[in-house]
Amino acid sequence: AAGVIQSPRHLIKEKRETATLKCYPIPRHDTVYWYQQGPGQDPQFLISFYEKMQSDKGSIPDRFSAQQFSDYHSELNMSSLELGDSALYFCASTYLGAGANVLTFGAGSRLTVL
Amino acid sequence: AQKVTQAQTEISVVEKEDVTLDCVYETRDTTYYLFWYKQPPSGELVFLIRRNSFDEQNEISGRYSWNFQKSTSSFNFTITASQVVDSAVYFCALSEAERDDKIIFGKGTRLHILP
Repeated sequence: AAGVIQSPRHLIKEKRETATLKCYPIPRHDTVYWYQQGPGQDPQFLISFYEKMQSDKGSIPDRFSAQQFSDYHSELNMSSLELGDSALYFCASTYLGAGANVLTFGAGSRLTVL
Repeated sequence: AQKVTQAQTEISVVEKEDVTLDCVYETRDTTYYLFWYKQPPSGELVFLIRRNSFDEQNEISGRYSWNFQKSTSSFNFTITASQVVDSAVYFCALSEAERDDKIIFGKGTRLHILP
């Protein structure tokens, strides 16, 4: 079965650079969530999209932005990177129409900021 | 506000011992979901179980079992006859279905199974 695809799996950037992470949800899933997991931390909710509209916002820095495109894939853009942005970034998707309330997580994108 | 507390930061047991990971949650909703995820050293989040707030029946899956008690707002996870491959960080999580489906995680319990 198709899973949530995240790319790239690993990314190394310098401070003040920009990074873009991509998420391809499971086909027919209409909702995407982004989470950030710092070293030794629990995953923290950043932002979510339902049918290409932002549906909820968590502790996402102003330097970060995200969107969901017409094909339902989502991109998380991070600018002016800081050392503290080094983390594992998870994307998850679900089909809210089913009311199933089960998120499927991708394998994560590991960002290292030097 | 919703909150998940995993009081045990780190646990070490010897292989073949049983181990229970505690989880206590807070929510104002009557309809909610509870989850357990496993995060091995490779980093991915592995879904283990989801329970809804109306189903207090305990569940067993192989060496894994879960004890859901609404009266104490707890959703504990027991591994029987632990194995080295069970070594991982385990997250308990909560989703309030009456709001949206986003999941709030506890801080996690790092489990070491010693050979």
